[in-house]
Amino acid sequence: DGGITQSPKYLFRKEGQNVTLSCEQNLNHDAMYWYRQDPGQGLRLIYYSQIVNDFQKGDIAEGYSVSREKKESFPLTVTSAQKNPTAFYLCASSRGLAGGNTGELFFGEGSRLTVL
Amino acid sequence: GDSVTQMEGPVTLSEEAFLTINCTYTATGYPSLFWYVQYPGEGLQLLLKATKADDKGSNKGFEATYRKETTSFHLEKGSVQVSDSAVYFCALNGNFNKFYFGSGTKLNVKP
Repeated sequence: DGGITQSPKYLFRKEGQNVTLSCEQNLNHDAMYWYRQDPGQGLRLIYYSQIVNDFQKGDIAEGYSVSREKKESFPLTVTSAQKNPTAFYLCASSRGLAGGNTGELFFGEGSRLTVL
Repeated sequence: GDSVTQMEGPVTLSEEAFLTINCTYTATGYPSLFWYVQYPGEGLQLLLKATKADDKGSNKGFEATYRKETTSFHLEKGSVQVSDSAVYFCALNGNFNKFYFGSGTKLNVKP
């Protein structure tokens, strides 16, 4: 089945450590996104990529980094510079600009990061 | 810039009650509009969408109509069930394929 796979589902990190969250899609989508969700809150955009080898900062990019070396993969690194990284992280994809703006986002199941 | 505003929650209803969750938007151009649903500990699932003015999206008894004149996309269901308890997000796909989400509305349905 086509979809988006995020791993790990749960991750614990000590302060000062970098961690990388994986996101893989087999939907052949051009665009991929990372969102952060805090308890009782909406979604805030961290980074997005419309095409391979290109990505843009979202609203809360500080303390995060991404890469887009392959169409199907968009890993997110939470660095030690992120002061409050405990949150639920959601990866998503869409057809991208080639599909106009009528396409929807498809989401993974999320990764919950806890800083100890 | 583009934005979405939806009603604050939580919304608590008895089973079989009528549901309305209000959503209004601000956008340049002609966005597509969406409702997503999130169950505890999961990602978001698309509930319904509308891509142009006066379109009605519908799924699983939920409906929403794209109203350009009032810049609204209110979610409705005639008879809610306990299984509808979840968080509902209104969203738009604006210029440059950038998505904007409302803050979410938690729905609690009591038996």
